[in-house]
Order: sequence, then C-alpha cells, then structure tokens
Amino acid sequence: KAGVTQTPRYLIKTRGQQVTLSCSPISGHRSVSWYQQTPGQGLQFLFEYFSETQRNKGNFPGRFSGRQFSNSRSEMNVSTLELGDSALYLCASSLERSPRAFFGQGTRLTVV
Amino acid sequence: AQRVTQPEKLLSVFKGAPVELKCNYSYSGSPELFWYVQYSRQRLQLLLRHISRESIKGFTADLNKGETSFHLKKPFAQEEDSAMYYCALRGAGSYQLTFGKGTKLSVIP
Repeated sequence: KAGVTQTPRYLIKTRGQQVTLSCSPISGHRSVSWYQQTPGQGLQFLFEYFSETQRNKGNFPGRFSGRQFSNSRSEMNVSTLELGDSALYLCASSLERSPRAFFGQGTRLTVV
Repeated sequence: AQRVTQPEKLLSVFKGAPVELKCNYSYSGSPELFWYVQYSRQRLQLLLRHISRESIKGFTADLNKGETSFHLKKPFAQEEDSAMYYCALRGAGSYQLTFGKGTKLSVIP
C-alpha cells in the first residue's frame, strides 16, 4: 500500500497570505489527523477528521481550519499567515478505532 | 489537561550499553501510551504501545501507573538505534495524540 502522501513538500509564503496543504491517507483509512511540529513546541495536535466530520480540535486559532472529502483526502488551510506559523505540518491516517497512526513526510511551510 | 514530559533532549550512549529513555505523563484516567521513532530522513513511525506489551527491535516499555511513567528501555544499544524518540499519550475516547518534545538518542560506536 502507498503511504500517507502530503503535498506540497515545501512551501514559502508571505505574511498575510493564506495556504492550503493536502493529505492523501492510506487506502482504507478514514481517520486523518493534522499536527504542527516546531522546534520550540514540538508536535501539537491541530484537528482530526473522520468521514468528513471534525471530531476533535486542538488549541489553535480559528485561522487554522481543515476539511475532509468523501474519498478521505484531507486539506488544511491557514489564513492570514504569521511568521510563527512556520513549521512542519504532519498528517497521519489510521483505521477507525486503531491506535496506530501512520504519518506522512510532512509539508515544510516557511512564512517570510 | 494531559501532558507528556521527556526530560532529556539528548541522550548519548556507547554501543552495547543499556538505554533508558524517560517519559512521564499527566492524565486523570487511563491513557494509552505509545513510543514513536523518527530515523534520519524517515517518517515518524510507531515503535510500540503499552497495551500490546511487545518488544520491538529489542525495546520494551512498561507502564507504571503509580509513577505515571512509560520509560523506554533496551539492554544493549545498537548504532542503528540512533534517532528521535517521542513518547505520546491518547486519552480514553480521544482521537488525538499528545506528544512529548522528544529525546534524540545518539549511539556512539
């Protein structure tokens, strides 16, 4: 099976712009989670989707949003980018009720 | 609130020496505990979880509810064990993982 695929791998944006990141889960996985990884804060949970519904949301401002499509692919959007949004954004997929999360390679976002 | 603490940012050991990566957690209830590993230029991947009580690549971890710890151990370190190790917690009925900040293990030949 192909692994979790995230696109693009690298992105450079300017403050104030918005960005959309994409995640294709492993075939058959309907749960998709997003995490932000920074040197200072480590890995922090953003949100989790299952069957197009957001089930859980982390402690991030409303500028961070996401959605999931009927084919389980997910996107996350960050509006009005700030310098502090520079991070590696990781997506993980899993089977329903499975504790095992499979991670993508991430999208490296740099805000200048 | 749930929290995972990994007190060591960096741990260096000689090949063949025992390894212990510390993890302490804070959670009011019965959590699921995991260890994830990230080798150089590879994805973050699950190493082991407390429920399965398994040994993967020679590593074991025991959940100590009294001390709220889930330390990762290996009796004899190998060079290929060099990586970033993250302890993670998932609360009952939750779908999110709370990660510690990670410990970089460096095994010296």
